[in-house]
Amino acid sequence: DQQVKQNSPSLSVQEGRISILNCDYTNSMFDYFLWYKKYPAEGPTFLISISSIKDKNEDGRFTVFLNKSAKHLSLHIVPSQPGDSAVYFCAASASAGNNRKLIWGLGTSLAVNP
Amino acid sequence: SQTIHQWPATLVQPVGSPLSLECTVEGTSNPNLYWYRQAAGRGLQLLFYSVGIGQISSEVPQNLSASRPQDRQFILSSKKLLLSDSGFYLCAWSVRALNTGELFFGEGSRLTVL
Repeated sequence: DQQVKQNSPSLSVQEGRISILNCDYTNSMFDYFLWYKKYPAEGPTFLISISSIKDKNEDGRFTVFLNKSAKHLSLHIVPSQPGDSAVYFCAASASAGNNRKLIWGLGTSLAVNP
Repeated sequence: SQTIHQWPATLVQPVGSPLSLECTVEGTSNPNLYWYRQAAGRGLQLLFYSVGIGQISSEVPQNLSASRPQDRQFILSSKKLLLSDSGFYLCAWSVRALNTGELFFGEGSRLTVL
């Protein structure tokens, strides 16, 4: 049972345009959501996160939107740059004592074309 | 600043041979430690996590084991590798008291079992 779903395995956009990566979840207990970026043969790096008490968090070119009623979040990258080409993972967590475990989506591969 | 290192970066092993991947974290104390695996074309699968020395939790039944002999050292082992053990292995750490679940990943170790 996939609790965090990234239904688009790949996405291709033109440089300068907006990239929108989507993520859906099923567990209403999730209260923290994170996006990670991963280049081939490297470990994922943290990109941006959002708490369930917010509906938007912005950091430079990256904005994450959370729609709790729809159990949906999205990552917007504006403007997209070729260096943004990578696999993007959505992850969610729920409070569980001192060890929050992340539940991961399968990732979306973003290609930004010059 | 905190850093995480894992080695070896690349490993080619025959079926039935043993495995030892090592991970160390610097610049922090009492971290939570994790071993993940990314199989080809798939998402991140949590294999083991540890909240302290000698404390290991296994997420999935498998051919692998983990140990934490020191606070900032995490080792992934196998006595006899299977073909299905091939993949990209990632060590990660998180701040125990941090209530977000954010993980910091190592560079990864590519294991090919022939």
